[in-house]
Amino acid sequence: GAVVSQHPSWVICKSGTSVKIECRSLDFQATTMFWYRQFPKQSLMLMATSNEGSKATYEQGVEKDKFLINHASLTLSTLTVTSAHPEDSSFYICSAPLIETSVSTDTQYFGPGTRLTVL
Amino acid sequence: KQEVTQIPAALSVPEGENLVLNCSFTDSAIYNLQWFRQDPGKGLTSLLLIQSSQREQTSGRLNASLDKSSGRSTLYIAASQPGDSATYLCAVRPRFVSGAGSYQLTFGKGTKLSVIP
Repeated sequence: GAVVSQHPSWVICKSGTSVKIECRSLDFQATTMFWYRQFPKQSLMLMATSNEGSKATYEQGVEKDKFLINHASLTLSTLTVTSAHPEDSSFYICSAPLIETSVSTDTQYFGPGTRLTVL
Repeated sequence: KQEVTQIPAALSVPEGENLVLNCSFTDSAIYNLQWFRQDPGKGLTSLLLIQSSQREQTSGRLNASLDKSSGRSTLYIAASQPGDSATYLCAVRPRFVSGAGSYQLTFGKGTKLSVIP
């Protein structure tokens, strides 16, 4: 089946530094990818929609200047947490829909997640 | 705005028991509903996807039902095993939304299942 990878799987950084997280669709093209954030014992909350070749769409309350998203190719989206602070520590998960028009179905595939800890 | 609620938040059962996890959603205009499994510190594994026109889906020991009009779905796990221990999330995809937004999922907080050997 389709696979979505994320890198790194975990990262620890100092407050004030920037961290880049990559999301790749390994065997299909994804013009759209989604970035979610999950705090402990909480649900996944959509942060933004990453669109290949255009600007990302951010959900209300998510700072676009803090969470920079670049979808430079049909298989790669990156999320950069700029000037990270301890409150940004969370589990970040990306997803990509696989659209199979030949069978009129689509489903989303999720990456394994990236655990960010900001000291 | 769609809201998804999962009850109970946590559940502990002895091995071999059958169990039911519940999911409710406030807006019945959904395209589909999906059940996921999440192991600690891991990503999501899709278990079952029910289209809005369907009433249930089955995969092995899992059976998911959907009652769109009442905004409810259940995940039935038969003969539970310790390996079933995980957090189970349900998520709905909206209908009547165009473009990329139509693929956005709204998640519940999950039910943490512990199956005791």
